[in-house]
Amino acid sequence: GESVGLHLPTLSVQEGDNSIINCAYSNSASDYFIWYKQESGKGPQFIIDIRSNMDKRQGQRVTVLLNKTVKHLSLQIAATQPGDSAVYFCASGGRRALTFGSGTRLQVQP
Amino acid sequence: EAEVAQSPRYKITEKSQAVAFWCDPISGHATLYWYRQILGQGPELLVQFQDESVVDDSQLPKDRFSAERLKGVDSTLKIQPAELGDSAMYLCASSFGHPIRSTDTQYFGPGTRLTVL
Repeated sequence: GESVGLHLPTLSVQEGDNSIINCAYSNSASDYFIWYKQESGKGPQFIIDIRSNMDKRQGQRVTVLLNKTVKHLSLQIAATQPGDSAVYFCASGGRRALTFGSGTRLQVQP
Repeated sequence: EAEVAQSPRYKITEKSQAVAFWCDPISGHATLYWYRQILGQGPELLVQFQDESVVDDSQLPKDRFSAERLKGVDSTLKIQPAELGDSAMYLCASSFGHPIRSTDTQYFGPGTRLTVL
């Protein structure tokens, strides 16, 4: 079956530093990947997505990198702010609905 | 900005009681999803609709859970009877709508936090 996993459950960074959140996936058939941010008590909020025909995509302060060779996905957040503190989920999709990982908690230290 | 609406936001019930959750997707979104999220974990799909039809309910515990989207717009998820292990966040999401491939961005509602006592 398809599984999506995250390397670290908690990431602590200083305000202003860059954050990198990593994710591994197992299903080679996955062709769509997405990152969500979830604050406590709220639903997941879309951040950025990428299709398998790309290896990099940039948004506002965020960049997603996809390495299909090693089935690895990362989310980079530039100049991390206190408002970025949340749980971040990667998810992958293909022929079925999204499969989510268990999440990485990002803590931003002032 | 269009959003997915869910109600209620919180629900406390006793085991063996019936509960129902409602979702109104973003206008024009043909695909609607119900997910369950246990605390500390990622969301897991329960059921997926394309318009009014179920396209995936393989993970829905059909002995106690039911879902419908009669007119292809809003949807209701019901649990009867509720069990202690059903305590979780129930999330609704919608996307523009390809019935099989999940390449359309899914937008989530705020969720319903269910506590079963």
